[in-house]
Amino acid sequence: DQQVKQNSPSLSVQEGRISILNCDYTNSMFDYFLWYKKYPAEGPTFLISISSIKDKNEDGRFTVFLNKSAKHLSLHIVPSQPGDSAVYFCAPQHASGGSYIPTFGRGTSLIVHP
Amino acid sequence: KAGVTQTPRYLIKTRGQQVTLSCSPISGHRSVSWYQQTPGQGLQFLFEYFSETQRNKGNFPGRFSGRQFSNSRSEMNVSTLELGDSALYLCASSLGGQGDIQYFGAGTRLSVL
Repeated sequence: DQQVKQNSPSLSVQEGRISILNCDYTNSMFDYFLWYKKYPAEGPTFLISISSIKDKNEDGRFTVFLNKSAKHLSLHIVPSQPGDSAVYFCAPQHASGGSYIPTFGRGTSLIVHP
Repeated sequence: KAGVTQTPRYLIKTRGQQVTLSCSPISGHRSVSWYQQTPGQGLQFLFEYFSETQRNKGNFPGRFSGRQFSNSRSEMNVSTLELGDSALYLCASSLGGQGDIQYFGAGTRLSVL
């Protein structure tokens, strides 16, 4: 039973264009939503996050949108650069047993072509 | 500030053996979490330790265990290895609070033959 779904395993975009990565979740208890980026042979690194009380958070070329009623969030990268080519994980979290462990989606592999 | 260090980076074992993986968190981080990553499955949560206590546990069999030491360093152990245990094992450290960012090590690639 997947609580977090990233339905696009891969996405191919031309350099300079917008990349939109989507994430759907089922658990209404999630209150923080994080995105991580992973390059091959490296561990994931934090990219951007959003609290459930907001619907948008922007950091440079990266913007995350949250639609709580639809239980959907998306990550926009504008403009996309070849160095953005990586696997992106959506990772919402909520308090559970005193800890705040993110639940990771299966990831979307983004390829940005020069 | 040093990042999260995992050792070893690569391991090859045979079925039935046991293995111990090590993780040194970022200084000051009291929470250490372990994940298993297999192709197409994303990151599956194994367990989290906070101040030497297991605070949360994922849906893995009892063959997977862990511990945390007083200096926050953590180890995970897998006994009676199976072929399906072949995966990338990732360790992450954080302060352990709401909305905290997890900082990941590069992982240990375990191959079970």
